[in-house]
Amino acid sequence: GEDVEQSLFLSVREGDSSVINCTYTDSSSTYLYWYKQEPGAGLQLLTYIFSNMDMKQDQRLTVLLNKKDKHLSLRIADTQTGDSAIYFCAETSGYSTLTFGKGTMLLVSP
Amino acid sequence: NAGVTQTPKFRVLKTGQSMTLLCAQDMNHEYMYWYRQDPGMGLRLIHYSVGEGTTAKGEVPDGYNVSRLKKQNFLLGLESAAPSQTSVYFCASSYSIGEAFFGQGTRLTVV
Repeated sequence: GEDVEQSLFLSVREGDSSVINCTYTDSSSTYLYWYKQEPGAGLQLLTYIFSNMDMKQDQRLTVLLNKKDKHLSLRIADTQTGDSAIYFCAETSGYSTLTFGKGTMLLVSP
Repeated sequence: NAGVTQTPKFRVLKTGQSMTLLCAQDMNHEYMYWYRQDPGMGLRLIHYSVGEGTTAKGEVPDGYNVSRLKKQNFLLGLESAAPSQTSVYFCASSYSIGEAFFGQGTRLTVV
């Protein structure tokens, strides 16, 4: 079945850039998403990208998609302590429910 | 803006007891989902619904039942709770597959 893999942990200093990586196996993935989960809360959609795009920028967030390698990344510029959270990569072909990765915990230190 | 509301937020059950988790959304979404989140396991889909009166099994449906009698509500039932069902349960809804809105979660402990 479909699989989504992420590294489990990332630690950065405030002001640095953070890059969270994700790989997926489903070649029919059409939509790829990044969700953010703050402590004690549900997931919030951060941004998404369609498979016919290579890059999407949204303020401090940049999503890069390498469809050939099935690799997705989320770059957060000027990372702040408020960005500390768990970030989930997710994909769908549009005909099935979302498949989530296990999440990457981002820790931002002052 | 209520969004997706889950009831209750916390619950402790004894093994063998039953309970129902309620999810309500006010966004007129067709799709609704129940996930469980466990350490190191990420989010796993229990059951989902693509519209009022419909339900379907997800990745880990055993031990759970669901009902979608009204479009805005999606109920998750545990008929005979087991310690393995200790988890944080999230309900979500979406207009289309993908852009899901999540509730705040229900922390369930089965002792």
